[in-house]
Amino acid sequence: AQSVAQPEDQVNVAEGNPLTVKCTYSVSGNPYLFWYVQYPNRGLQFLLKYITGDNLVKGSYGFEAEFNKSQTSFHLKKPSALVSDSALYFCAVRDQAGTALIFGKGTTLSVSS
Amino acid sequence: DSGVTQTPKHLITATGQRVTLRCSPRSGDLSVYWYQQSLDQGLQFLIQYYNGEERAKGNILERFSAQQFPDLHSELNLSSLELGDSALYFCASSVGDTLDEQFFGPGTRLTVL
Repeated sequence: AQSVAQPEDQVNVAEGNPLTVKCTYSVSGNPYLFWYVQYPNRGLQFLLKYITGDNLVKGSYGFEAEFNKSQTSFHLKKPSALVSDSALYFCAVRDQAGTALIFGKGTTLSVSS
Repeated sequence: DSGVTQTPKHLITATGQRVTLRCSPRSGDLSVYWYQQSLDQGLQFLIQYYNGEERAKGNILERFSAQQFPDLHSELNLSSLELGDSALYFCASSVGDTLDEQFFGPGTRLTVL
C-alpha cells in the first residue's frame, strides 16, 4: 500500500532564512510525488511534481523539491522564506499502478518577520 | 481563482438528513475528484470520475455517493448524516488522470448538528 508521511506538524522559520518541509513516502515501484499548498480558507494549489528525470524539481513561487530514492524522501525547499509563504503544505504520492493521490497530514509553515 | 466552482459554500443540516454538493470543473478538464478535509482525518480522497465514469475510489462511505454528468459537472450526495461528517469537502479537477495538476475549488463547509 502506498503512504506518505510528513513528520513535522509545524515548521517555524524567520523571513529570509532557508526553509525545508519534510516528506517521506512508501510505494511499490517508482513513485509519483507532489506538493500542494493551502492558504487559509482556500482550496489547495499545486506547487510542483516529480514524475521522472532530474531529482531536483522546480516549482511555483520559488519552491523546489529534491527526490531522494535511497531515503524515500521528497523534501520541499526554498532558499529564502517570505512571510507570505506561511500556509499549510501537503505532500502527496501515487504509485505506478494506482490512480489516486494519497496526501500527507500536512505541515504548517510559519514564517516570522 | 482556480476555475473550479463549488456550491454551496456553507451548509448546516441535522443528523439523519441528506445533502447534495455540486462541483463544476475547469473548462476542458475531464477528471473530477472529491476530497474530505477534517481536523482529525486530514485530507482524504473520496472518489474520482473521468469523463462520466468512476475511475478510482478512496475512503468513501457507503452513505456517500457521487456522479459526473454529461456536461462534466459532478455532485456528491451525503445521506444519513452523522456528526462526524462535519468537514470541508473539496472538489478538484484535472485535464486527465492523477499525474496532472489538480485544480481545487474553494470547498463546501458542511456542519451537521
